[in-house]
Amino acid sequence: AQSVAQPEDQVNVAEGNPLTVKCTYSVSGNPYLFWYVQYPNRGLQFLLKYITGDNLVKGSYGFEAEFNKSQTSFHLKKPSALVSDSALYFCAVRDGGNRLAFGKGNQVVVIP
Amino acid sequence: NAGVTQTPKFQVLKTGQSMTLQCAQDMNHEYMSWYRQDPGMGLRLIHYSVGAGITDQGEVPNGYNVSRSTTEDFPLRLLSAAPSQTSVYFCASSRDHRGGSIYEQYFGPGTRLTVT
Repeated sequence: AQSVAQPEDQVNVAEGNPLTVKCTYSVSGNPYLFWYVQYPNRGLQFLLKYITGDNLVKGSYGFEAEFNKSQTSFHLKKPSALVSDSALYFCAVRDGGNRLAFGKGNQVVVIP
Repeated sequence: NAGVTQTPKFQVLKTGQSMTLQCAQDMNHEYMSWYRQDPGMGLRLIHYSVGAGITDQGEVPNGYNVSRSTTEDFPLRLLSAAPSQTSVYFCASSRDHRGGSIYEQYFGPGTRLTVT
């Protein structure tokens, strides 16, 4: 089965500093990878996905992610964090058909 | 479009009671799924459907039933609620993947269920 790991429980970053949320994956075959964000008491919102091609994927709200095949990683990045980016971030991998396998999530806290 | 809607938003059940969580989408998506979210465990797939009349089990299906009689609706039934089913439940939908394309899923706002 495919899986992703998000090694950090919480990421603290000062407003205006770069933000990185880490994700590593384990797949057999081609990796199809996703990032979602969850704001308090809300459902998950899609940020971006990697299917094939360019290793740098651009998504919503100024986020981007870097796919690295040799390190089996798909880290989410934002050059300058905002307080409004404080949320729970999930990495996910397609696990056959349309099924997704999610990581445990990373709480991001942006400090004013 | 309303997107994916879920009712109720909150529910408290006693052990042994049954109930149905409702999910509807107005995007004509073939694929629908149910997840539960528990602290520190991410989202886990309960059941999913690739179209009307077709359902299948996910990672944690025990204690739950689903049916898909229309494209729009995908209710989740708890047969006999247990405290271990206390969780936040999310419904999601997406376009059909079977043509080879990879589509993101759209999530509803969730139902917070407490079983006492």
